[in-house]
Amino acid sequence: EAGVVQSPRYKIIEKKQPVAFWCNPISGHNTLYWYLQNLGQGPELLIRYENEEAVDDSQLPKDRFSAERLKGVDSTLKIQPAELGDSAVYLCASSRQGAAQATVNNEQFFGPGTRLTVL
Amino acid sequence: AQKVTQAQTEISVVEKEDVTLDCVYETRDTTYYLFWYKQPPSGELVFLIRRNSFDEQNEISGRYSWNFQKSTSSFNFTITASQVVDSAVYFCALSEAKGGFKTIFGAGTRLFVKA
Repeated sequence: EAGVVQSPRYKIIEKKQPVAFWCNPISGHNTLYWYLQNLGQGPELLIRYENEEAVDDSQLPKDRFSAERLKGVDSTLKIQPAELGDSAVYLCASSRQGAAQATVNNEQFFGPGTRLTVL
Repeated sequence: AQKVTQAQTEISVVEKEDVTLDCVYETRDTTYYLFWYKQPPSGELVFLIRRNSFDEQNEISGRYSWNFQKSTSSFNFTITASQVVDSAVYFCALSEAKGGFKTIFGAGTRLFVKA
């Protein structure tokens, strides 16, 4: 079974430039997450999708960040314009998850992340 | 509010030593889940274990064991006879019902196992 795929693995841009990250979850996983991980910290949730619906985007800075998962499969996270403080690793994860509590906390499978450096 | 504290920033041990990674959590909810994930140098977090708040039974999986104690709000992780391949950052995480089961991660403990 293929794991979560993310691209690019590394991205270096200048501040004020736009940037986009792509994620393809594990086949059959209807829940997709985007996390931000700063150096020496644990991942912080940016947005969670159930199929194509964003069910938790409370931590997404909507003035510059946007995300989409149009067909409920792969997803794109965009930053426009990027700021110096956005330098971090952006992780994508997926899980088999549904509305029932019994399955709502299935383990998450993570991709390798995209390391963003904003100069 | 939910919170996860991993007080140990870095731990260094020699191969074959036992090591315990501490995790203390805060929640006002009675329904919650606890997790441990491993992040090797490659960067991909790997799920190790999930435990729900109604199941305090400790678990052993090979060289790994977990001690869940609700009385002290702790979910500690022990590696027995550590190996160099255990070197990684380990994250404890919590999700609670009142928080919509959003997963909150601790800051992680970096484990170095020296040969």
